[in-house]
Amino acid sequence: EAGVVQSPRYKIIEKKQPVAFWCNPISGHNTLYWYRQNLGQGPELLIRYENEEAVDDSQLPKDRFSAERLKGVDSTLKIQPAELGDSAVYLCASSLGTPGQGLMRETQYFGPGTRLLVL
Amino acid sequence: GQNIDQPTEMTATEGAIVQINCTYQTSGFNGLFWYQQHAGEAPTFLSYNVLDGLEEKGRFSSFLSRSKGYSYLLLKELQMKDSASYLCAVRDRGGDYKLSFGAGTTVTVRA
Repeated sequence: EAGVVQSPRYKIIEKKQPVAFWCNPISGHNTLYWYRQNLGQGPELLIRYENEEAVDDSQLPKDRFSAERLKGVDSTLKIQPAELGDSAVYLCASSLGTPGQGLMRETQYFGPGTRLLVL
Repeated sequence: GQNIDQPTEMTATEGAIVQINCTYQTSGFNGLFWYQQHAGEAPTFLSYNVLDGLEEKGRFSSFLSRSKGYSYLLLKELQMKDSASYLCAVRDRGGDYKLSFGAGTTVTVRA
């Protein structure tokens, strides 16, 4: 079974430019997460989707970040315009179900991430 | 939110045992996860504790004490491939079950 797929793996852009990341979750996984991981830190949740619905986007900087999950499968995360402080690894994760449904359904599986460098 | 503390780095010898401690503060504790993350790779799930006690999975064990806000991950019979960052993550009922991660403990295994 394929894992979570993300692209691109690496991205270098100049500040003020837009950038987009794509995620394809594990087949059948209803819940999708976007995290940001700064160097030497743990992942921080940006947004969580249950099917097509964004159920937790409280940590998403909405002035420049946007996300969508059309048809409840693939998802894209966009930054426009990018700032120097946005340099980080952007991780996508998916789980079969939602928190509280038991370990098998709520365990999150992570993709390899997109390493973003803003110059 | 949660305050999650774990040591930044630990070094151990191949074949030895290492214990990674994690302390946390949360108002609505609803589970603690340990993830392993090799450099440049995705975090992978290791273990889960929601009740007090020890969970054993092969060479890895995880312990939880909810009253003390404390967990540890025990790695036995260390192998070179165990060199990685180990992330402690706590789920809070009050935060819509959001998973909050610690900064991770980098374990270096020496021959």
